[in-house]
Amino acid sequence: EVQLLESGGGLVQPGGSLRLSCATSGFTFSSSDMSWVRQAPGRGLEWVSAITGGGSGTYYADSVKGRFTISRDNSKNTLSLQMNSLRAEDTAVYYCAKFWSGRIDYWGQGTLVTVSS
Amino acid sequence: DIQMTQSPSSLSASVGDRVTITCRASQRISSNFLNWYQQKPGKAPKLLMYAASSLQSGVPSRFSGSGSGTDFTLVISSLQPEDFAIYYCQQSYSAPYTFGQGTKVDIK
Repeated sequence: EVQLLESGGGLVQPGGSLRLSCATSGFTFSSSDMSWVRQAPGRGLEWVSAITGGGSGTYYADSVKGRFTISRDNSKNTLSLQMNSLRAEDTAVYYCAKFWSGRIDYWGQGTLVTVSS
Repeated sequence: DIQMTQSPSSLSASVGDRVTITCRASQRISSNFLNWYQQKPGKAPKLLMYAASSLQSGVPSRFSGSGSGTDFTLVISSLQPEDFAIYYCQQSYSAPYTFGQGTKVDIK
């Protein structure tokens, strides 16, 4: 059974940093492209970032480029998102997502990030 | 960046109704990279359709998808109580892999 379990969310002040992690199991992690998708309260889905299976390719939404860094540890089957210079508009539930053949076939349950003073 | 625009943004329908949701891309995309997701309150999204017209395993056959180029459609042939939710299209043709703004389907 595929499992994606996010952690690391919480309350952070504007300008602060937070690191999200996603522990995975049930599939060949190193062969799977992965993504982060977020959803602000009461809003729609926003794709944030993606990384290829080997980690050599990374992609970002314009809204987070230069502030967020996606990475992975294939030895630990773990995906991460380092978020710096956080803004109020980054407040959202962040979902870890498994990509396969061009679609997100599995989602985590999400972790809430709140940016507020 | 490719913008995805869904219409309508919301609709009210009754059980048994046929429901059609459209998704328009700001530039031509391969239909192999057009996906539809369903999201219910407080839950993670769920994949419904991929490659525009392929039904994800376990999804009822009342859901269907079509389209090519810039225009895509999701149809629910006979709306069921469990189908009241928000539906999103997404393109994975070119990063950033943008979503539509969502279509909320609620009970009339």
